[in-house]
Amino acid sequence: AQKITQTQPGMFVQEKEAVTLDCTYDTSDQSYGLFWYKQPSSGEMIFLIYQGSYDEQNATEGRYSLNFQKARKSANLVISASQLGDSAMYFCAWATNTGNQFYFGTGTSLTVIP
Amino acid sequence: KAGVTQTPRYLIKTRGQQVTLSCSPISGHRSVSWYQQTPGQGLQFLFEYFSETQRNKGNFPGRFSGRQFSNSRSEMNVSTLELGDSALYLCASSLSVGQETQYFGPGTRLLVL
Repeated sequence: AQKITQTQPGMFVQEKEAVTLDCTYDTSDQSYGLFWYKQPSSGEMIFLIYQGSYDEQNATEGRYSLNFQKARKSANLVISASQLGDSAMYFCAWATNTGNQFYFGTGTSLTVIP
Repeated sequence: KAGVTQTPRYLIKTRGQQVTLSCSPISGHRSVSWYQQTPGQGLQFLFEYFSETQRNKGNFPGRFSGRQFSNSRSEMNVSTLELGDSALYLCASSLSVGQETQYFGPGTRLLVL
């Protein structure tokens, strides 16, 4: 089974500062996708950003960017200009190109401090 | 466009009972996947359906089953409930299969007493 590792159980960041959430993965597949989701206390998983393994550019979506280092098998999420509403759990997920089975990391709890 | 909807949102059952959870995907989405989320095990894949066919199944006992209808709506059933089945059950839909972004519903919180 694929292994997705998020080593930061909890992170704190000052409002308006940038923060990086780490994610590493272990796979021998050549074609795969990496996703980040946000889960507020309400429970719903909110899609943030996607990176394909063959994408040469790092993905960006508004204040979210994905620092993709294929050789290191890492896909870190960078949130710029943190807002209080960014406080939530953040999950990294991996998917092969042949199915929709996502493998999730254990998540990072982010707290934004005013 | 309406998002993924799940019913019911909350459920309390007792051990030994069975439960059926429902998921309506985003309009036009043909793939539905189910996940179980618990504090101890995290997010675990249950099943994946596409065009009424189960494509993948996670490592769960046979008490967990599901199906998908011709309108892409999906149901999952858990029979002979155990205390450990208490969890948040999340449904996700996507247009197709293969690295497709999955959009999640609000989940069903199941408590087994």
